[in-house]
Amino acid sequence: GENVEQHPSTLSVQEGDSAVIKCTYSDSASNYFPWYKQELGKGPQLIIDIRSNVGEKKDQRIAVTLNKTAKHFSLHITETQPEDSAVYFCAASALHHGGATNKLIFGTGTLLAVQP
Amino acid sequence: NAGVTQTPKFQVLKTGQSMTLQCAQDMNHEYMSWYRQDPGMGLRLIHYSVGAGITDQGEVPNGYNVSRSTTEDFPLRLLSAAPSQTSVYFCASSYSGQRAHNEQFFGPGTRLTVL
Repeated sequence: GENVEQHPSTLSVQEGDSAVIKCTYSDSASNYFPWYKQELGKGPQLIIDIRSNVGEKKDQRIAVTLNKTAKHFSLHITETQPEDSAVYFCAASALHHGGATNKLIFGTGTLLAVQP
Repeated sequence: NAGVTQTPKFQVLKTGQSMTLQCAQDMNHEYMSWYRQDPGMGLRLIHYSVGAGITDQGEVPNGYNVSRSTTEDFPLRLLSAAPSQTSVYFCASSYSGQRAHNEQFFGPGTRLTVL
């Protein structure tokens, strides 16, 4: 089955700096790669996702890149702010059951701390 | 819309006790799933369902049962709780089929402690 590895497990940056979180996956059939942000005491929330037919996607200060050949994808946050402090999870998914399922396999998470 | 709701928020059990974690969604999503979150291990899929009457196992299904009698509800049952099941449990839902790979919405979680 799919296995997703995520690095680093913790990341501390100064406000205004950039942060990069990297993930690798094992199943070449995976074709959907979302990123979730989890604030303390809450459930994860989707912040950006990318599909396998695209190499890069941006949404304001957040961007995700995908390298299907190397089976890795990364989250880039620019101009970090204290409210970006949270745990970030990457995930990978391939369609199963004839395209019916959306079964996500998650990485182990990155605790991002943005120092004011 | 209330989104995805979970009850209870907190629960303490003794080893061997049984309980059901409730999950409901009001977005008419076909796909629902249960995850457990443990320190350093991320979110691991327990069971999932692609529609009423259809369930399947995820990465860590042992010790848990599920059923899906309606589109809205997806309860998770612990038949005989063990300390290894101490965790935070999240329910999630999304569209499936032609709308698969759309956003999964997570509930607020249930923190379970088994003594």
